[in-house]
Amino acid sequence: AQTVTQSQPEMSVQEAETVTLSCTYDTSESDYYLFWYKQPPSRQMILVIRQEAYKQQNATENRFSVNFQKAAKSFSLKISDSQLGDAAMYFCAYSLLKNSGGGADGLTFGKGTHLIIQP
Amino acid sequence: KAGVTQTPRYLIKTRGQQVTLSCSPISGHRSVSWYQQTPGQGLQFLFEYFSETQRNKGNFPGRFSGRQFSNSRSEMNVSTLELGDSALYLCASSLGQGDRSPLHFGNGTRLTVT
Repeated sequence: AQTVTQSQPEMSVQEAETVTLSCTYDTSESDYYLFWYKQPPSRQMILVIRQEAYKQQNATENRFSVNFQKAAKSFSLKISDSQLGDAAMYFCAYSLLKNSGGGADGLTFGKGTHLIIQP
Repeated sequence: KAGVTQTPRYLIKTRGQQVTLSCSPISGHRSVSWYQQTPGQGLQFLFEYFSETQRNKGNFPGRFSGRQFSNSRSEMNVSTLELGDSALYLCASSLGQGDRSPLHFGNGTRLTVT
């Protein structure tokens, strides 16, 4: 079974600074997706960024980027120029590639990291 | 385009009762997945429906069931409620089989069992 581990229950960063959230996973598959989701107090899970395992290039979305190390099974999220609106729970998630966005077999989530932005 | 809509937002039930939660996916999305979120267990996959058929099920007892209608709307039912069923239930939709679109989540239904 696949597992996803987020070792940082809580992280704090000053506004405008950079923060990195860690995630490791365990799988015997070679083709899969990795995701970072954000869950603000509104409770809605919002997709931040997605990485396909067969792509060597790290995904980026504006201020968000990942460091994907396939051999080490590591998938960290870097948030640059942190903003107050970035405060939320961040979840790392895994899905088999054949199930595209996580439908049929579901997403496997980590326990989450609570990100606090200090003004 | 409207997002994923879950109703109700909050629900309080008593042990032993049953409950039905509703999810309307984004227009055009044919796949609907359900997740349970608790402080202890985190986010866990319940099941997924596509074209009115359950494609896969997570590791939950048979008290948890669901269905999908021809318009892709989905309901999940929990019978004989237990205190441990108190959780946030999240629904997510995607285009469906063969696509590579990610899941879009709703705001969830907060179920409290007393």
